[in-house]
Amino acid sequence: EVQLVESGGGLVQPGGSLRLSCAASGFIFSNHAMTWVRQAPGKGLEWVSSITGSAAGTYYADSVKGRFTISRDDSKNTLYLQMNSLRGEDTAVYYCARGRDVSRVDWFDPWGQGALVTVSS
Amino acid sequence: QSALTQPASVSGSPGQSITISCTGTSSDVGGYNLVSWYQQYPGRAPQLMIYDDSQRPSGVSSRFSGSKSGSTASLTISGLQAEDEADYYCCSYAGSYIWLFGGGTKLAVL
Repeated sequence: EVQLVESGGGLVQPGGSLRLSCAASGFIFSNHAMTWVRQAPGKGLEWVSSITGSAAGTYYADSVKGRFTISRDDSKNTLYLQMNSLRGEDTAVYYCARGRDVSRVDWFDPWGQGALVTVSS
Repeated sequence: QSALTQPASVSGSPGQSITISCTGTSSDVGGYNLVSWYQQYPGRAPQLMIYDDSQRPSGVSSRFSGSKSGSTASLTISGLQAEDEADYYCCSYAGSYIWLFGGGTKLAVL
């Protein structure tokens, strides 16, 4: 069974940092691009960042560019999102999701259960 | 880049068909065959229902179908069932390695 499990969420002060992890199982992790999508409380979905296989390419939404860094460790089947200079508007549930293949994102399937990040003093 | 435009809510009775629209531009929806649709129940993760404009993943009911005309994509649910009541989001590749979501549509089954 394909499974994605996020961890690392929590409460952080404005300006602080947090690193999310997404552990993958049930498929060949290195053969797929991966993505982070977030959802603010009561709001819609927002694409945050994607990374292709072997980390050949990394892509970011303008809202997080320069503050967030996506990475992957294919030996550990794990995706990461390093979040720095956090703001209140970064408060959201963060989901990781699998892409089409090694070089193409295209769509998101499946999704993890999500990790809640709350930025507040 | 602006979010894609979806109606905030739609409703239908059991057995009826409903259609949710997703309007973008020639730079996103109209420029690529890469519209996908997601179903989300409250407190749950989204689930892929349609990809590549009109393809249905294995395991998704044939009552769900996708189409596109110009810069507007559509999700149609036929034979509406109570279990279809959820939020639905469209998403499109927008070029330059950017993906855009719609604002979401809440479907009520009356």
